[in-house]
Amino acid sequence: DAKTTQPNSMESNEEEPVHLPCNHSTISGTDYIHWYRQLPSQGPEYVIHGLTSNVNNRMASLAIAEDRKSSTLILHRATLRDAAVYYCTSETGANNLFFGTGTRLTVIP
Amino acid sequence: DAGVTQSPTHLIKTRGQQVTLRCSPKSGHDTVSWYQQALGQGPQFIFQYYEEEERQRGNFPDRFSGHQFPNYSSELNVNALLLGDSALYLCASSATGTAPYEQYFGPGTRLTVT
Repeated sequence: DAKTTQPNSMESNEEEPVHLPCNHSTISGTDYIHWYRQLPSQGPEYVIHGLTSNVNNRMASLAIAEDRKSSTLILHRATLRDAAVYYCTSETGANNLFFGTGTRLTVIP
Repeated sequence: DAGVTQSPTHLIKTRGQQVTLRCSPKSGHDTVSWYQQALGQGPQFIFQYYEEEERQRGNFPDRFSGHQFPNYSSELNVNALLLGDSALYLCASSATGTAPYEQYFGPGTRLTVT
């Protein structure tokens, strides 16, 4: 089970880009990297996933280091609705997720 | 299309009692996973059910058990409750197929053990 390490908290001004880092130095070559976010009083919500290549979707971009020991979730323009705890997780292909303690993102108006 | 639903929303139990939590997966999903989330922590994987059988299990004692029904809904049972079992219990569903699997989480059941 790959362990992920994230900063406890980060702040961003509204409408500015946010880069959320994650270290996963013990990840295996076949583990996927998933990002989920959890808004207050809700269950986690899928954001994006990747294996080796950088990925983009309507919510965010995921940049994966060439050695796969780290990744960065990029929110291109933070809004107040993006304030949440962001979890970087690994998934072994066996359909279960291993969460760390996450990064609490505060968006400043 | 209803997402993942869980019941009850909140529950208060006494040490030593037993509790059953319920989950209905998102339409079209056949796999249900359960997670425990202690206050200030990330969710921890308990177990996963597919085709009415436990397919994987995390590092949780046998006091935690589950069941999946033919309609893919699931129950989580916890026996001999301890104070440390107080947490948010999350159910997630997914569709078995080609990895990676996007999981859809329910809002959770908040269990308080006194």
